[in-house]
Amino acid sequence: QGLLEESGGGVVQPGTSLKLSCAASRFTFTRPPTHWVRQAPGKGLDWVASTLYDGSNEYYADSVMGRFIISRDNSKNTLYLHMNSLMVDDTARYFCATEGEGGSFGHWGQGTLVTVSS
Amino acid sequence: SYVLTQPPSVSVAPGQTARTTCEGTNIGYKSVHWYQQKPGQAPVLVIYSDDDRPSGIPERFSGSKSGNTASLTITRVEAGDEADYYCQVWDSGSAYRVFGGGTKLTVL
Repeated sequence: QGLLEESGGGVVQPGTSLKLSCAASRFTFTRPPTHWVRQAPGKGLDWVASTLYDGSNEYYADSVMGRFIISRDNSKNTLYLHMNSLMVDDTARYFCATEGEGGSFGHWGQGTLVTVSS
Repeated sequence: SYVLTQPPSVSVAPGQTARTTCEGTNIGYKSVHWYQQKPGQAPVLVIYSDDDRPSGIPERFSGSKSGNTASLTITRVEAGDEADYYCQVWDSGSAYRVFGGGTKLTVL
């Protein structure tokens, strides 16, 4: 079983930026991490963004469109989420996930917590 | 935007069968996936593409679909099945991935 490790979370002020990373470590996945999903405290799951393995296409939820950018470095087997103009409503645990069958999320990391607060 | 509706909670006694639903317009034309999330843990895929189980998921977990409703059924429920369960679809037209609001399964 492989391991996905997210990092980069923290406490930031509204309007600032943060960069999250997701590394697939120690093992080789059939499919690499290509998605970000978040979960606000006490709330449900919320898809954020997806990219293709070659980075040729990016897809974003309406709530983050124009503020977040998903990217990946295949040489490092790492997925990124560049978050700009952060808002209080962006406070959540951010999970990265691999592509599963039929458009599912096959494997998940443990997540990294982002808190946006003044 | 596409909406998936799940009941907020379901309760069942140990050994009984739990069923939770996921409603969405034209869900019959989409692949439905189900995730289990226990407190403080990451979600785990338990059913993909309506009714397939990933390796390692017990046969007690099954999925089905009828009309505009998908269902997750757990037979012989155990205390360890207590968790939040989320349905999810991929809207291939928009490339959006959508989750239902989740159902909290309580084992009495």
